[in-house]
Amino acid sequence: KAGVTQTPRYLIKTRGQQVTLSCSPISGHRSVSWYQQTPGQGLQFLFEYFSETQRNKGNFPGRFSGRQFSNSRSEMNVSTLELGDSALYLCASSLLGANTGELFFGEGSRLTVL
Amino acid sequence: AQSVTQLDSQVPVFEEAPVELRCNYSSSVSVYLFWYVQYPNQGLQLLLKYLSGSTLVKGINGFEAEFNKSQTSFHLRKPSVHISDTAEYFCAVSDQASGGSYIPTFGRGTSLIVHP
Repeated sequence: KAGVTQTPRYLIKTRGQQVTLSCSPISGHRSVSWYQQTPGQGLQFLFEYFSETQRNKGNFPGRFSGRQFSNSRSEMNVSTLELGDSALYLCASSLLGANTGELFFGEGSRLTVL
Repeated sequence: AQSVTQLDSQVPVFEEAPVELRCNYSSSVSVYLFWYVQYPNQGLQLLLKYLSGSTLVKGINGFEAEFNKSQTSFHLRKPSVHISDTAEYFCAVSDQASGGSYIPTFGRGTSLIVHP
């Protein structure tokens, strides 16, 4: 069974630009969560999607948004990039039937904002 | 909201020595507990989990953890570490959020450095 796939793995943007990151969950997993990982703040929850609906949202500004498609694939978007948005963005999927918070992570998309 | 404290940001240890990575969490209500490992330039991988039952949980790569409800702790242990165990270790605690989801809160991580 293929794992969680995130694209692109690395990208460089400049301040003010926007970026879209993509995540394909494990087949059969219907919940997708996104986390931002930085050395200073650790892992911070961005949002969680299930059946194309955002079920939970972390404490991030409106510049951070996401969506989920009918095939459970998810994208997140960051608009008007700031230097502080440089981070590893991790996508994770979970099996609804075992709804305990156990997550299966992708390798992440490393965003550098110059 | 949950908070998770990993008491050591860095733990250096010699190869074949035992190690304990400490984790405490804030809430005493029913929670699920996890330890994840992250190798450089990779995502997080589940080491072990406590959902219910026996308080001693065994995971992959020879790791185990003990759930202590009264002390709200979930410390990770390994009796003999290898160089390949060098990585970042994250403790996570999840409780129920809206919509029936369980959203894990992660600790800041402990960097395990194994020296030859």
